[in-house]
Amino acid sequence: KAGVTQTPRYLIKTRGQQVTLSCSPISGHRSVSWYQQTPGQGLQFLFEYFSETQRNKGNFPGRFSGRQFSNSRSEMNVSTLELGDSALYLCASSLVDPTVADTQYFGPGTRLTVL
Amino acid sequence: KNQVEQSPQSLIILEGKNCTLQCNYTVSPFSNLRWYKQDTGRGPVSLTIMTFSENTKSNGRYTATLDADTKQSSLHITASQLSDSASYICVVRFTGGGNKLTFGTGTQLKVEL
Repeated sequence: KAGVTQTPRYLIKTRGQQVTLSCSPISGHRSVSWYQQTPGQGLQFLFEYFSETQRNKGNFPGRFSGRQFSNSRSEMNVSTLELGDSALYLCASSLVDPTVADTQYFGPGTRLTVL
Repeated sequence: KNQVEQSPQSLIILEGKNCTLQCNYTVSPFSNLRWYKQDTGRGPVSLTIMTFSENTKSNGRYTATLDADTKQSSLHITASQLSDSASYICVVRFTGGGNKLTFGTGTQLKVEL
């Protein structure tokens, strides 16, 4: 069974631009969660989706948004990029509602660099 | 102050030795606590998940314990291997104020010959 895939793997953007990252969960998984990882802040929770519904959202500004499609694939969008948005963006999928104590499987991440 | 504190920040041990990593959290109530292992340049891998009512959970050489009264969890690694060298992250899902995930800053473990 294929793992969680994220595209693109690497991305370079300039300040003010917007970016869309994609995540394809493991086949059959209905939950997708997104995280930001930086050397200074570590891992931080962005949002999580289950069956196309956003279940929870972390403490990030409105420039960060996401959605989940009927095939469980998910996208996250960051508008008006800032230098501080440079990070590794990780996506994880699980079989059931993300609030349940179920195993999450992470993708390799998308490395975003904002110049 | 982070609501999930991990100690030590870094640790070096010899191959074959045991070690214990600590996770203290300050906010409750919570629904579950997870431990992840993250190799450099890769996504985290789930080691254990415990609900608030569980005291211990094992996964091979990894054993996690949870004391909800003292708000502490520990991850014990037995007979360490070179491949255990990684960052270990504790994550707590708090159910008060929105059901949010809070991550610890991690413990960087290095296993040497």
